[in-house]
Amino acid sequence: DAGVIQSPRHEVTEMGQEVTLRCKPISGHDYLFWYRQTMMRGLELLIYFNNNVPIDDSGMPEDRFSAKMPNASFSTLKIQPSEPRDSAVYFCASSLDTSLQPQHFGDGTRLSIL
Amino acid sequence: KQEVTQIPAALSVPEGENLVLNCSFTDSAIYNLQWFRQDPGKGLTSLLLIQSSQREQTSGRLNASLDKSSGRSTLYIAASQPGDSATYLCALSQAGTALIFGKGTTLSVSS
Repeated sequence: DAGVIQSPRHEVTEMGQEVTLRCKPISGHDYLFWYRQTMMRGLELLIYFNNNVPIDDSGMPEDRFSAKMPNASFSTLKIQPSEPRDSAVYFCASSLDTSLQPQHFGDGTRLSIL
Repeated sequence: KQEVTQIPAALSVPEGENLVLNCSFTDSAIYNLQWFRQDPGKGLTSLLLIQSSQREQTSGRLNASLDKSSGRSTLYIAASQPGDSATYLCALSQAGTALIFGKGTTLSVSS
Protein backbone atom coordinates (compact mmCIF):
# COMPACT_ATOMS: atom_id res chain seq x y z
CA ASP A 1 0.00 0.00 0.00
CA ALA A 2 1.18 3.52 -0.71
CA GLY A 3 1.96 5.56 2.35
CA VAL A 4 1.25 9.21 2.97
CA ILE A 5 2.52 11.23 0.02
CA GLN A 6 3.68 14.80 0.36
CA SER A 7 4.80 17.26 -2.27
CA PRO A 8 7.05 18.99 -2.88
CA ARG A 9 9.89 17.40 -0.89
CA HIS A 10 11.83 20.63 -0.86
CA GLU A 11 10.73 24.22 -1.40
CA VAL A 12 12.92 27.30 -1.43
CA THR A 13 11.25 30.63 -1.99
CA GLU A 14 11.59 34.28 -1.16
CA MET A 15 9.89 36.05 1.67
CA GLY A 16 6.43 37.29 0.76
CA GLN A 17 5.67 34.54 -1.72
CA GLU A 18 2.77 32.15 -1.40
CA VAL A 19 3.66 28.57 -0.52
CA THR A 20 1.38 25.58 -0.98
CA LEU A 21 2.17 22.19 0.51
CA ARG A 22 0.24 19.12 -0.56
CA CYS A 23 -0.67 15.83 1.07
CA LYS A 24 -2.36 12.63 -0.01
CA PRO A 25 -3.31 10.47 2.98
CA ILE A 26 -3.52 6.71 3.08
CA SER A 27 -6.76 5.57 1.50
CA GLY A 28 -9.44 4.86 4.08
CA HIS A 29 -7.87 6.93 6.83
CA ASP A 30 -10.41 9.32 8.33
CA TYR A 31 -7.92 11.53 10.12
CA LEU A 32 -5.33 13.84 8.60
CA PHE A 33 -2.79 15.86 10.55
CA TRP A 34 -0.37 18.64 9.66
CA TYR A 35 2.71 19.03 11.88
CA ARG A 36 5.69 21.36 11.80
CA GLN A 37 9.17 20.40 13.02
CA THR A 38 11.88 22.84 14.03
CA MET A 39 15.05 22.40 16.04
CA MET A 40 13.85 24.79 18.71
CA ARG A 41 10.28 23.61 19.19
CA GLY A 42 10.36 20.01 17.96
CA LEU A 43 7.21 18.57 16.37
CA GLU A 44 4.05 20.57 16.85
CA LEU A 45 0.54 20.01 15.59
CA LEU A 46 -0.79 22.72 13.29
CA ILE A 47 -4.24 21.36 12.43
CA TYR A 48 -6.10 18.11 12.03
CA PHE A 49 -9.14 16.98 10.08
CA ASN A 50 -11.69 14.25 10.62
CA ASN A 51 -13.66 13.20 7.55
CA ASN A 52 -12.44 16.35 5.75
CA VAL A 53 -13.67 18.67 8.53
CA PRO A 54 -11.14 20.72 10.53
CA ILE A 55 -11.35 19.68 14.18
CA ASP A 56 -8.51 21.51 15.90
CA ASP A 57 -6.63 24.40 14.30
CA SER A 58 -5.33 25.88 17.53
CA GLY A 59 -1.76 25.19 16.42
CA MET A 60 -1.97 27.30 13.29
CA PRO A 61 0.45 30.15 14.00
CA GLU A 62 -1.52 33.04 12.53
CA ASP A 63 -3.81 34.10 9.73
CA ARG A 64 -1.05 33.67 7.19
CA PHE A 65 -1.55 29.91 7.50
CA SER A 66 -4.57 28.11 6.09
CA ALA A 67 -5.38 24.46 5.46
CA LYS A 68 -8.06 22.77 3.41
CA MET A 69 -9.22 19.25 2.76
CA PRO A 70 -11.57 19.35 -0.23
CA ASN A 71 -11.91 15.57 -0.34
CA ALA A 72 -10.77 12.44 1.45
CA SER A 73 -7.66 12.02 -0.67
CA PHE A 74 -6.14 15.49 -0.70
CA SER A 75 -5.17 18.29 1.64
CA THR A 76 -3.23 21.53 1.28
CA LEU A 77 -1.42 23.77 3.71
CA LYS A 78 -0.93 27.29 2.43
CA ILE A 79 1.25 30.10 3.76
CA GLN A 80 0.61 33.59 2.40
CA PRO A 81 2.68 35.68 2.70
CA SER A 82 5.62 33.53 3.77
CA GLU A 83 8.27 34.74 6.23
CA PRO A 84 11.77 33.42 7.08
CA ARG A 85 10.53 32.17 10.47
CA ASP A 86 8.23 29.77 8.64
CA SER A 87 11.27 27.77 7.55
CA ALA A 88 10.83 24.24 8.91
CA VAL A 89 9.94 20.70 7.91
CA TYR A 90 6.21 20.24 7.49
CA PHE A 91 4.80 16.76 7.95
CA CYS A 92 1.45 15.32 7.02
CA ALA A 93 0.16 12.21 8.78
CA SER A 94 -2.98 10.12 8.60
CA SER A 95 -4.66 7.50 10.75
CA LEU A 96 -7.83 5.47 11.15
CA ASP A 97 -8.56 7.05 14.53
CA THR A 98 -6.89 9.09 17.25
CA SER A 99 -6.78 6.60 20.09
CA LEU A 100 -6.26 3.00 18.95
CA GLN A 101 -4.32 3.18 15.70
CA PRO A 102 -0.87 4.58 14.94
CA GLN A 103 -0.35 7.65 12.83
CA HIS A 104 1.48 7.20 9.54
CA PHE A 105 3.74 10.03 8.44
CA GLY A 106 4.84 11.27 5.05
CA ASP A 107 8.47 12.14 4.34
CA GLY A 108 7.81 15.83 4.90
CA THR A 109 8.38 19.04 2.98
CA ARG A 110 11.54 20.95 3.86
CA LEU A 111 10.63 24.62 3.47
CA SER A 112 13.19 27.40 3.32
CA ILE A 113 12.06 31.01 3.15
CA LEU A 114 14.85 33.38 2.17
CA LYS B 1 -1.04 21.33 29.92
CA GLN B 2 0.59 18.05 28.98
CA GLU B 3 4.37 18.08 28.71
CA VAL B 4 6.45 15.25 27.28
CA THR B 5 10.14 15.05 28.15
CA GLN B 6 12.82 12.79 26.76
CA ILE B 7 16.15 12.43 28.49
CA PRO B 8 18.91 12.22 27.42
CA ALA B 9 18.78 14.34 24.26
CA ALA B 10 21.62 12.29 22.80
CA LEU B 11 23.15 8.90 23.53
CA SER B 12 26.18 7.09 22.12
CA VAL B 13 26.75 3.38 22.70
CA PRO B 14 28.95 0.64 21.22
CA GLU B 15 27.38 -2.02 19.07
CA GLY B 16 25.85 -4.92 20.97
CA GLU B 17 24.90 -2.95 24.05
CA ASN B 18 21.38 -3.09 25.47
CA LEU B 19 19.96 0.37 26.10
CA VAL B 20 16.93 2.17 27.47
CA LEU B 21 15.40 5.41 26.22
CA ASN B 22 13.19 7.35 28.60
CA CYS B 23 10.02 9.36 28.14
CA SER B 24 8.10 11.14 30.90
CA PHE B 25 4.79 12.96 30.83
CA THR B 26 2.93 15.16 33.29
CA ASP B 27 -0.73 14.13 32.78
CA SER B 28 -1.62 10.45 33.09
CA ALA B 29 -4.97 10.83 31.29
CA ILE B 30 -3.77 9.47 27.97
CA TYR B 31 -5.27 7.26 25.27
CA ASN B 32 -2.05 5.78 24.03
CA LEU B 33 1.67 6.34 23.75
CA GLN B 34 3.68 5.78 20.58
CA TRP B 35 7.37 5.43 19.95
CA PHE B 36 8.65 6.63 16.58
CA ARG B 37 11.95 6.46 14.79
CA GLN B 38 13.15 9.31 12.57
CA ASP B 39 16.10 8.99 10.23
CA PRO B 40 17.83 12.16 8.97
CA GLY B 41 15.79 13.87 6.25
CA LYS B 42 12.98 11.37 6.60
CA GLY B 43 9.57 11.17 8.12
CA LEU B 44 8.58 9.30 11.26
CA THR B 45 8.14 5.55 11.38
CA SER B 46 5.88 4.16 14.07
CA LEU B 47 7.70 1.49 16.10
CA LEU B 48 5.32 0.58 18.90
CA LEU B 49 1.97 1.79 20.19
CA ILE B 50 0.87 1.09 23.76
CA GLN B 51 -2.76 1.56 24.69
CA SER B 52 -3.47 3.18 28.04
CA SER B 53 -4.74 -0.14 29.40
CA GLN B 54 -1.55 -1.98 28.42
CA ARG B 55 1.77 -2.24 30.23
CA GLU B 56 4.09 -3.09 27.38
CA GLN B 57 4.49 -3.96 23.72
CA THR B 58 7.22 -5.88 21.97
CA SER B 59 8.46 -5.99 18.41
CA GLY B 60 11.65 -7.89 17.64
CA ARG B 61 14.50 -6.36 19.63
CA LEU B 62 12.30 -3.51 20.85
CA ASN B 63 10.22 -3.46 24.01
CA ALA B 64 8.21 -0.47 25.17
CA SER B 65 6.69 -0.17 28.61
CA LEU B 66 4.14 2.21 30.04
CA ASP B 67 3.56 3.21 33.66
CA LYS B 68 0.80 5.79 33.73
CA SER B 69 0.86 6.23 37.51
CA SER B 70 4.44 7.45 37.42
CA GLY B 71 4.10 9.20 34.04
CA ARG B 72 6.85 7.18 32.41
CA SER B 73 7.52 5.09 29.36
CA THR B 74 10.71 3.36 28.32
CA LEU B 75 11.92 1.95 25.03
CA TYR B 76 14.33 -0.93 25.47
CA ILE B 77 16.57 -1.84 22.54
CA ALA B 78 18.37 -5.16 22.84
CA ALA B 79 21.72 -5.91 21.19
CA SER B 80 21.98 -2.52 19.51
CA GLN B 81 23.27 -2.29 15.93
CA PRO B 82 24.67 0.61 13.87
CA GLY B 83 21.43 0.53 11.87
CA ASP B 84 19.57 1.53 15.02
CA SER B 85 21.19 4.96 14.86
CA ALA B 86 18.37 7.49 14.53
CA THR B 87 16.28 9.88 16.57
CA TYR B 88 13.62 8.22 18.71
CA LEU B 89 10.53 10.20 19.64
CA CYS B 90 7.75 9.39 22.01
CA ALA B 91 4.32 10.88 21.56
CA LEU B 92 1.02 10.50 23.34
CA SER B 93 -2.59 11.16 22.56
CA GLN B 94 -5.25 12.52 24.86
CA ALA B 95 -8.95 13.20 24.55
CA GLY B 96 -9.65 15.72 21.85
CA THR B 97 -6.05 16.20 20.79
CA ALA B 98 -3.63 14.91 18.23
CA LEU B 99 -0.21 13.60 19.22
CA ILE B 100 1.94 15.53 21.68
CA PHE B 101 5.62 14.86 21.04
CA GLY B 102 8.77 14.87 23.08
CA LYS B 103 11.84 16.39 21.48
CA GLY B 104 13.50 13.03 20.98
CA THR B 105 16.67 11.17 21.86
CA THR B 106 19.31 10.94 19.13
CA LEU B 107 20.98 7.55 19.31
CA SER B 108 24.34 6.74 17.80
CA VAL B 109 25.53 3.13 17.77
CA SER B 110 29.17 2.68 16.82
CA SER B 111 30.58 -0.46 15.26
